[in-house]
Amino acid sequence: GDSVTQMEGPVTLSEEAFLTINCTYTATGYPSLFWYVQYPGEGLQLLLKATKADDKGSNKGFEATYRKETTSFHLEKGSVQVSDSAVYFCALSEAGGGNKLTFGTGTQLKVEL
Amino acid sequence: DGGITQSPKYLFRKEGQNVTLSCEQNLNHDAMYWYRQDPGQGLRLIYYSQIVNDFQKGDIAEGYSVSREKKESFPLTVTSAQKNPTAFYLCASSPSQGSNQPQHFGDGTRLSIL
Repeated sequence: GDSVTQMEGPVTLSEEAFLTINCTYTATGYPSLFWYVQYPGEGLQLLLKATKADDKGSNKGFEATYRKETTSFHLEKGSVQVSDSAVYFCALSEAGGGNKLTFGTGTQLKVEL
Repeated sequence: DGGITQSPKYLFRKEGQNVTLSCEQNLNHDAMYWYRQDPGQGLRLIYYSQIVNDFQKGDIAEGYSVSREKKESFPLTVTSAQKNPTAFYLCASSPSQGSNQPQHFGDGTRLSIL
């Protein structure tokens, strides 16, 4: 079945540091890929998405590129802020799968001054 | 503003009791979903519905039940058969067509056992 693997956290960075959160996936077809962010006590918010190979999703300074050859969708940001502290989830939606999402386990990011 | 409303925010269940979590959306989405979130395990799909009066089991449906009598509403009942119900429950919705449509989430209900 489909699966998503994320790097374990927590990831602790200083403000203005470069962020990478690794995400790799296993899927039988050609999935759409998503990054969601969850702030404490809240639901998930869509951060960015990519629907086909080599697409780059971007939002609020975050970027991720759909790499079919390495089955990866790593999240990056050039300069993190304290307000970026949250849990980040990588997810996929299989083509023809009725829009069901398969999530990774989440990676907690802590950004310190 | 359109969105998804979950209530209550916190819920307590006694042993042997059924409890119902509410989920309402005004996004005019056809599809709705229920997830359970446990620490370190990500989100797991409980039930989903692509259209009114129809729903399917997800990966962990045992001990849960749902109904979809209206497009806007998708309540989840945690029955006494669910032996470990303590978790954070998230409801989501999306347009039903196309796997590239993102899901929109509510703010969740935290369920605890008394």
